[in-house]
Amino acid sequence: AQKVTQAQTEISVVEKEDVTLDCVYETRDTTYYLFWYKQPPSGELVFLIRRNSFDEQNEISGRYSWNFQKSTSSFNFTITASQVVDSAVYFCALSEAYTGNQFYFGTGTSLTVIP
Amino acid sequence: DADVTQTPRNRITKTGKRIMLECSQTKGHDRMYWYRQDPGLGLRLIYYSFDVKDINKGEISDGYSVSRQAQAKFSLSLESAIPNQTALYFCATSTSGTGLETQYFGPGTRLLVL
Repeated sequence: AQKVTQAQTEISVVEKEDVTLDCVYETRDTTYYLFWYKQPPSGELVFLIRRNSFDEQNEISGRYSWNFQKSTSSFNFTITASQVVDSAVYFCALSEAYTGNQFYFGTGTSLTVIP
Repeated sequence: DADVTQTPRNRITKTGKRIMLECSQTKGHDRMYWYRQDPGLGLRLIYYSFDVKDINKGEISDGYSVSRQAQAKFSLSLESAIPNQTALYFCATSTSGTGLETQYFGPGTRLLVL
């Protein structure tokens, strides 16, 4: 079974619109981390955020915000006032203490921001 | 300079050839990983190493081998390349510790097997 599900394969928005990327995870571990990475067209993977399972406080960093809800096993990522430079593939990932830092990646969401 | 480097960045090879992808890091991390990325499948773990003497198979290790020559170097080999090994390959590193450390990725190697 897929441990991390990103149901949105592709999303297109017009510049300045807000967009939310969904991530649903599955784990029986009580200690785990969730991550978001960005992969721009150049191909590298850029680390965006890490959230541990004991901290459900939402995080905001500039135009980016993350909503972690254990009750729904979700760790969603919102970009406010999107810009063309936000166009990329975004990956959500799960790391469990039980499996010793093995990362489980979702299949990614390709975001296109149209000018 | 980049903390995690991969060489080559692009490689074209023929079926049956042996090739090696190399990864070096200056982050001082103990743990290193090799992933492959295929369209629509995300990243999948091939091998990982928690230190020089500790190497483990990941989800898709068949057809691959690795060598951890030093703390800073982790190489991935395709003994006899086949077309379905065409993919984008990433090396990653992390510190040891709680086991839930952030992984930092190299720039990737695009491999095409003809």
